[in-house]
Amino acid sequence: EPEVTQTPSHQVTQMGQEVILRCVPISNHLYFYWYRQILGQKVEFLVSFYNNEISEKSEIFDDQFSVERPDGSNFTLKIRSTKLEDSAMYFCASGVSGRATDTQYFGPGTRLTVL
Amino acid sequence: GDSVTQMEGPVTLSEEACLTINCTYTATGYPSLFWYVQYPGEGLQLLLKATKADDKGSNKGFEATYRKETTSFHLEKGSVQVSDSAVYFCALQGGSEKLVFGKGTKLTVNP
Repeated sequence: EPEVTQTPSHQVTQMGQEVILRCVPISNHLYFYWYRQILGQKVEFLVSFYNNEISEKSEIFDDQFSVERPDGSNFTLKIRSTKLEDSAMYFCASGVSGRATDTQYFGPGTRLTVL
Repeated sequence: GDSVTQMEGPVTLSEEACLTINCTYTATGYPSLFWYVQYPGEGLQLLLKATKADDKGSNKGFEATYRKETTSFHLEKGSVQVSDSAVYFCALQGGSEKLVFGKGTKLTVNP
């Protein structure tokens, strides 16, 4: 069964450094998402991406964050200058459509630790 | 804005016990409702969903009914197994593309 994959599974970085989290969505999906979960808190929506542009973003997704689909298979989340509070599990998801009746399929997550 | 409230965990049960995890929501319009499960070391997997009022989602012995009058989507299973130990997340998707999640409920089933 096709699945969403994410790399790396764990990333440790120093505060102020740039990180890129990578995701390979399911191949026939058109909508891509990033969510994050700070330890002990809710899973929170960051951004959705369709047709090579951001279609929706949350207030968390400020200028420090960017997303890109650099080729036909990868979807990346970049954090330009990491802060301690960026430490979280980051989940990528993809879906065939953005409709509420369709399912978003999640990857296993990347645990980001900012020191 | 839209929100989801789940019962606090953790929940510890013996094998073959009945499970109910409460979930209520606040949303404008008619959202779709989901239960996702996260097994240890894995990502979020869709367990079941319901897209309109009175729909019942079911999978792997789990059920949840979309109750518009009580704005609830409680997860139930009649007889849990050790392999059901995981974190369960209730979520909704309303008029936008984003899923709104509850905090998650950790279930541990002991043999």
